[in-house]
Amino acid sequence: KAGVTQTPRYLIKTRGQQVTLSCSPISGHRSVSWYQQTPGQGLQFLFEYFSETQRNKGNFPGRFSGRQFSNSRSEMNVSTLELGDSALYLCASSLWDKGAEQFFGPGTRLTVL
Amino acid sequence: AQKITQTQPGMFVQEKEAVTLDCTYDTSDQSYGLFWYKQPSSGEMIFLIYQGSYDEQNATEGRYSLNFQKARKSANLVISASQLGDSAMYFCAFLGTGGNKLVFGAGTILRVKS
Repeated sequence: KAGVTQTPRYLIKTRGQQVTLSCSPISGHRSVSWYQQTPGQGLQFLFEYFSETQRNKGNFPGRFSGRQFSNSRSEMNVSTLELGDSALYLCASSLWDKGAEQFFGPGTRLTVL
Repeated sequence: AQKITQTQPGMFVQEKEAVTLDCTYDTSDQSYGLFWYKQPSSGEMIFLIYQGSYDEQNATEGRYSLNFQKARKSANLVISASQLGDSAMYFCAFLGTGGNKLVFGAGTILRVKS
């Protein structure tokens, strides 16, 4: 059974640009969550989608958005990139709508210059 | 809001010895779960062990066990017979009643010495 996949694995962008990251969950998993990891702030929850609906949102500005498709694949978008958006972005999928183990993908490392 | 505290920024352990990584949490939820993840330098988060708040016995998964003390709100990870491959960052994470939203601690870097 394939694990969680994230594309691309590495990205370099410049300030002001926008970026889209993709996450394909484990087959059959309907919940996808996104996390940002930085040396200064640690691991922070961005948002969670279940059956194409955003169920939870973390404390991030509106520049950060996401969506989930009918096949459970999810994308997150960051507009007007800032230097502080440089981070490892991790996606996690789980089977149920709550309280289930989350399986993480390898992450996308975004560098903003 | 839930808060997870890992007080040990870094730990060293001799190969083949046991090590305990500390985790305390603060919550008013009655139903919750606690997870431990391992993150090697590659960045991927690897699930290690899970403890539910209503589980009466401490969770065990191979060389990993969780010392769960509910009244003290602590969920320490014990790794027995440490191996060089255990060198990594370890995160404690809390899952409450608000959907699949994990709250992570700051992490502990573990270095296993040969």
